[in-house]
Amino acid sequence: EDKVVQSPLSLVVHEGDTVTLNCSYEVTNFRSLLWYKQEKKAPTFLFMLTSSGIEKKSGRLSSILDKKELFSILNITATQTGDSAIYLCAVGLNAGGTSYGKLTFGQGTILTVHP
Amino acid sequence: DGGITQSPKYLFRKEGQNVTLSCEQNLNHDAMYWYRQDPGQGLRLIYYSQIVNDFQKGDIAEGYSVSREKKESFPLTVTSAQKNPTAFYLCASSPKWGTGSYNEQFFGPGTRLTVL
Repeated sequence: EDKVVQSPLSLVVHEGDTVTLNCSYEVTNFRSLLWYKQEKKAPTFLFMLTSSGIEKKSGRLSSILDKKELFSILNITATQTGDSAIYLCAVGLNAGGTSYGKLTFGQGTILTVHP
Repeated sequence: DGGITQSPKYLFRKEGQNVTLSCEQNLNHDAMYWYRQDPGQGLRLIYYSQIVNDFQKGDIAEGYSVSREKKESFPLTVTSAQKNPTAFYLCASSPKWGTGSYNEQFFGPGTRLTVL
């Protein structure tokens, strides 16, 4: 059974802190790992990682994938109250058979940033 | 504006009633998905569809049904057989297999269903 596990499940920090969110996975036929940010409603796409060791960066957010150890981290530096959200990690499988575009999600990490 | 719309935003249902949640996309995406989200849990896949007139069960399909008569539309019916239907329901779509980004799913704003 495909499994994606995120840690910690919740995290409370103050503005300016740096946080690291973890995502480990055990899946058959891995293709990609995706990070989403979910505020009140729809998850919004942050990153998609397919290659090991290559960091993706967007402003204060960055992410890296380790395909040998089967995990990814999402870093947020100089956190702001607007970073408060649920961060979802998902693993995408290779297409073929009934696995077309399918994502398996972790439980999410609830990040709260206090002023 | 390209995107995914879901309606209604909030839905209340009495026990024993079927309800249908709407999902429409104008992104010209081939695949569409329905997820359920409960507090403290991630997204769980209910049904997905790769092409018109075809769909597959996800991990928690019992008590739900779908149809895909048009590429743009993928409605979800929550039947009275679903034992615990109160949840947040998200619809998503993704591009065609074979394109570089087919794993990337785009989400609608969600429907919050409450059973009274």
